[in-house]
Amino acid sequence: GAGVSQSPSNKVTEKGKDVELRCDPISGHTALYWYRQRLGQGLEFLIYFQGNSAPDKSGLPSDRFSAERTGESVSTLTIQRTQQEDSAVYLCASSRGGLNEGGFFGPGTRLTVL
Amino acid sequence: GEDVEQSLFLSVREGDSSVINCTYTDSSSTYLYWYKQEPGAGLQLLTYIFSNMDMKQDQRLTVLLNKKDKHLSLRIADTQTGDSAIYFCAESIYQGGKLIFGQGTELSVKP
Repeated sequence: GAGVSQSPSNKVTEKGKDVELRCDPISGHTALYWYRQRLGQGLEFLIYFQGNSAPDKSGLPSDRFSAERTGESVSTLTIQRTQQEDSAVYLCASSRGGLNEGGFFGPGTRLTVL
Repeated sequence: GEDVEQSLFLSVREGDSSVINCTYTDSSSTYLYWYKQEPGAGLQLLTYIFSNMDMKQDQRLTVLLNKKDKHLSLRIADTQTGDSAIYFCAESIYQGGKLIFGQGTELSVKP
């Protein structure tokens, strides 16, 4: 596709359930990032993948959060035992990884935990 | 540590210039970015500046970087109502690495 795509666009779940969010990066982009944006707030870094290197997981808020990426393609962000404070827009971005690549963002997945 | 600060709101009249300010703490920042987020839309990269530059101009946008004071600004000339959005400043510490974002400045343009 022409841009970064994410699915689903909206997800409503009950507290305690697991959710899986998907990101399809731009073809050929080796770097992939996940961010979280709570209502009215800035972007919070979650995790970063670069090629086959070990991911930078320093932003994951708890062990309920995990992410995987197969090669340089799709990534999934999994949140186990969701809590109400997990409600946010989850944004994915990809880039070629160069110094002047600020990342092309997807439209996000809006997660609401009831 | 890494921290990026922005003022939260800015209101200007149509046709005036807007200046959005940002300060950052990490002196090893390599690239600094400005993103625009319109209501219901994704983040759009507006422009970026490399840390060894003082200024970058791109049409109505001018980015100024004061590395000594760790201060970045975005000037929008002849601001239009379509420029109303939230503007995020971000820094990158290392090649291809994660971006650290500010909280965003909500720009309101009044006719």
